[in-house]
Amino acid sequence: DTGVSQDPRHKITKRGQNVTFRCDPISEHNRLYWYRQTLGQGPEFLTYFQNEAQLEKSRLLSDRFSAERPKGSFSTLEIQRTEQGDSAMYLCASSLGRTPRDIQYFGAGTRLSVL
Amino acid sequence: AQKVTQAQTEISVVEKEDVTLDCVYETRDTTYYLFWYKQPPSGELVFLIRRNSFDEQNEISGRYSWNFQKSTSSFNFTITASQVVDSAVYFCALSGWETSGSRLTFGEGTQLTVNP
Repeated sequence: DTGVSQDPRHKITKRGQNVTFRCDPISEHNRLYWYRQTLGQGPEFLTYFQNEAQLEKSRLLSDRFSAERPKGSFSTLEIQRTEQGDSAMYLCASSLGRTPRDIQYFGAGTRLSVL
Repeated sequence: AQKVTQAQTEISVVEKEDVTLDCVYETRDTTYYLFWYKQPPSGELVFLIRRNSFDEQNEISGRYSWNFQKSTSSFNFTITASQVVDSAVYFCALSGWETSGSRLTFGEGTQLTVNP
């Protein structure tokens, strides 16, 4: 049984470059979430998808961030013109159902370092 | 707005000691869910337990136990006879039907170090 998979695990980039991360949810999980975790803090919600539809975005998601989930399978999170403040761990989670009761299962994250 | 507070930033114990991690929450929802996750150094958040707001029965799973008290808005986690493998960051999280929907609000985490 495969869990949530994220790629790459680590990304180092220079300020101003664009980066893209990929998340593969657990098979048949309809809901997919993105969170951001900075050092010493808990994860903070960024956005989520129900199948291919992006239903909610946090105010943390500036216009330099975009997320997609084509065909309701894997998802990508792109950051354009990266800034040093974007350095963080980006976590993806998926759940089978769409309610607050449903357990979210997390991937190991992509750690982004912007130099 | 929802809020989760984990006042203990770091806890250090010696193996076989019992340790309790505190979690206090704020919500205006009448129906909500509380979760505990473990984050080992590898980074992946591992689900441990879910509790709903209508079930205040304490739960025990092996060396782990959870104490949910709605009157004090607390959902504390106790590890009995701690082991080195318990060393990790532990997060308490909250979701609710009325305000936050399915997105999770996390506390800042407690770094637990169990020394041999």
